Formats: sequence, C-alpha cells, structure tokens
Amino acid sequence: DTAVSQTPKYLVTQMGNDKSIKCEQNLGHDTMYWYKQDSKKFLKIMFSYNNKELIINETVPNRFSPKSPDKAHLNLHINSLELGDSAVYFCASSLKQGNEAFFGQGTRLTVV
Amino acid sequence: GDSVTQMEGPVTLSEEAFLTINCTYTATGYPSLFWYVQYPGEGLQLLLKATKADDKGSNKGFEATYRKETTSFHLEKGSVQVSDSAVYFCALPTDSWGKFQFGAGTQVVVTP
Repeated sequence: DTAVSQTPKYLVTQMGNDKSIKCEQNLGHDTMYWYKQDSKKFLKIMFSYNNKELIINETVPNRFSPKSPDKAHLNLHINSLELGDSAVYFCASSLKQGNEAFFGQGTRLTVV
Repeated sequence: GDSVTQMEGPVTLSEEAFLTINCTYTATGYPSLFWYVQYPGEGLQLLLKATKADDKGSNKGFEATYRKETTSFHLEKGSVQVSDSAVYFCALPTDSWGKFQFGAGTQVVVTP
C-alpha cells in the first residue's frame, strides 16, 4: 500500500498549457509539501501545507497554485506552462515539523 | 540560515570498496539529521537518521554519526555493492514549518 502516491508519473505537454499533478498520502500526516528537482538533482521546496493551510510559499511564480482539499491530499496546478518548468516534482509528507519526510515517486514534467 | 554542504560527485567505486560521503551543516539549535537515497527513476527514501548529538544512524550497512563539535554527519559504508548506485542527499529540517534543507546530492556509481 503506497504511502505517498502522486499522479501522473510522466507528463509531456506543450508550452502554454495548464496541467495538474495530484498527490495523496495515507500516513495520517499533518504536513505535505511540493519539491522541485532540477536536472542537476538539486531539490528546492515550493510549498508546505499543514492541516490544509499554506505555511510556506517559497517564491514560486503564481502560475503554480497548490490546493489541499483535505489533510491527505495536496494537488499542484500549473498554468501557462513554460520550458523552464520542466523538472521532476515530488510530493512529500511528514507527521510534524522536524520529522522525516516521506516522498512520492515523482512526476517528470517535460514542457515542449 | 540553516544549510547543508555535501561533497560533489560523481563518486565512482569498485564493488566492495569503502564509501564515505561528507556532509557538514549549519543550523540553529540541534535539529535531527537525515540521509536520503534516490535510486534511478525513483523518489527519495529515508536511509537513516540521527536525532541528537553523538547518535549513530544505521541502515542497510550504511552508518552516520551526528557530530556536534564538527557539525558533520558523514555517511559511510564498509563494502558497497552495485545496487548501492544512487544519489545520496544529506538533509536537515529548518526552523520553517516543514522546510527541509537538502544538500546538493552526491551521485555514487559502483562498478562490478
């Protein structure tokens, strides 16, 4: 039973399109995140939610809009996709601040 | 602010060789420290952790000791296998809610 699952695993789309990535965790965690991993494997946090409330928005363009309908879900919607958005996006969750984070398998987004 | 510095890769080793990946940190207080591993095409998995100074985390033959005096958390394995080929990340949770500071990642390649 997958702890943190995100869909789709691969996403290829054209510039200017709008797309969404979904994430669900069945661990009962309070905190969920979105991280972006670039081609050099560098990981950067984008958003952090705690109990459905946005806690961190790390200078991400407002084309990116997270939504947390409940504690177990954190979706990421991206408007007007650009070439530079191509990356691997990871969803993660943790029980509370300071605890280890559990990661999903990642969504490889390719904008052409 | 809190930060993590880890040695650059790639690190190329023969099977059964000794592996060390250096990690040093700057942090407010004494946070838990983590090593994550990312196998090709997969998400990050927690490899080991240490929650306080002088703690030793261990898993799958890997070890790391939380050294407060040298602000280090170096990862070691005595005899690597081809299956250990992956990218390894040192990480610490920061003061901000849910924000993990990751090192740049060290790619390890083990050859038969």
